[in-house]
Parts: sequence; C-alpha cells; structure tokens
Amino acid sequence: ELKVEQNPLFLSMQEGKNYTIYCNYSTTSDRLYWYRQDPGKSLESLFVLLSNGAVKQEGRLMASLDTKARLSTLHITAAVHDLSATYFCAVASNTGNQFYFGTGTSLTVIP
Amino acid sequence: DAEITQSPRHKITETGRQVTLACHQTWNHNNMFWYRQDLGHGLRLIHYSYGVQDTNKGEVSDGYSVSRSNTEDLPLTLESAASSQTSVYFCASSEGSGGQGTQYFGPGTRLTVL
Repeated sequence: ELKVEQNPLFLSMQEGKNYTIYCNYSTTSDRLYWYRQDPGKSLESLFVLLSNGAVKQEGRLMASLDTKARLSTLHITAAVHDLSATYFCAVASNTGNQFYFGTGTSLTVIP
Repeated sequence: DAEITQSPRHKITETGRQVTLACHQTWNHNNMFWYRQDLGHGLRLIHYSYGVQDTNKGEVSDGYSVSRSNTEDLPLTLESAASSQTSVYFCASSEGSGGQGTQYFGPGTRLTVL
C-alpha cells in the first residue's frame, strides 16, 4: 500500500513570509496532485504534476515534483490571509490508478 | 455548467439502518470515486468505478457497496450503518481511462450514525 506523509500537519505563519509544505510518498509514482480545502467545503484542485522535475506555479503557490526522491513540495511566497486552508497532496499509484491522500497541512496565515 | 452533486448534504441515521448517499455528475466522466474524510486520516478511498457496470473496492470498503448502472451516477450504500461510519463522504469524478487525471470533488455529505 502506498503511504503518503505530509509535514508539517499544522502551520501558522505571518503574512508576507515564505514557507514550504512537504509531501513524501513510499512507492514509485509519476503523478501527484495538490488540493486545497476550505473549512466545511469540498476539495479544489490546485496542481497536477506528471513527471520528474515538473514545476507548476499559480499566484503565490508553486509546486514541484522529484520522483526519484519521492517528494513534492508546495512553496508559499509572501503569504496572505486568503491562503489559509488545508492543503492535501495525493499520489496516484502506478499500478492501480487509485489516489492516496496525505493527512493534510492546516495552514493559518496571521495578519 | 457541468458539475458533480451529492445528496443529501447532511444525514442523521441510527445504527443498523441502511443508508444510500447519492452522487451525480454531468461531466460525462468515466471514472467515479467515493472517499470518506476523518480527522487525522485525510481522505480514504471506499469504492471506485471506471465505467458502467464496473466497480472496485478501495482501502476501506467493508460495510459499503456501490453500483454503476449509468455514466452519471454512483450511489454509495451503507448496508447496516455503524457509529464508526460517522464521517464526511466525498464523491469525485475524473476523465480519461483507468482513473487517470485530476479528480473533481462534490460538496460532501456529512453522515452521523447514532
């Protein structure tokens, strides 16, 4: 079974600061997804990373994938309050096409 | 606009009752998925389907069943509800073959089993 670990689980940061969320997974995969979830809401797709070295950026968020290290990062630049949410990474298994989700990182941006 | 909907949005039931949660998508996606979300566990896959008449068990399928009679719907049935099945349930769909591609999620159903 594919295991996905995110860290940190909780992150409180000041507006204007930079930080990185890490997503490690246990077996080979070349497809990784990042989602955002606001409290009481559904999941919203942020990024799809489909190959080693893939980098995607949208606004203050940038995601990257290193399939050799089995690691993805979600980098936050100059955080603003609107980025407060829970962020999930999900890894697709190469064999079964199932998604395995990390436990999420709850981000709070403090003014 | 195409969308994915779930009903009911909130449900309270009693232990031992059968419960069915509905999921309907208008994207014409082949692939549909059911997850449950619990604190500390993220999302865990219950069942999934890659097309009509196709269903597969996920990581936490015990006590749940699904059927796929058309492209648009994948209802999730709890055969005999248990308190451990109190959770938030999300349905998702994706295009492409074999479950590849970004999954788009419904709004969720909050189920409480008393």
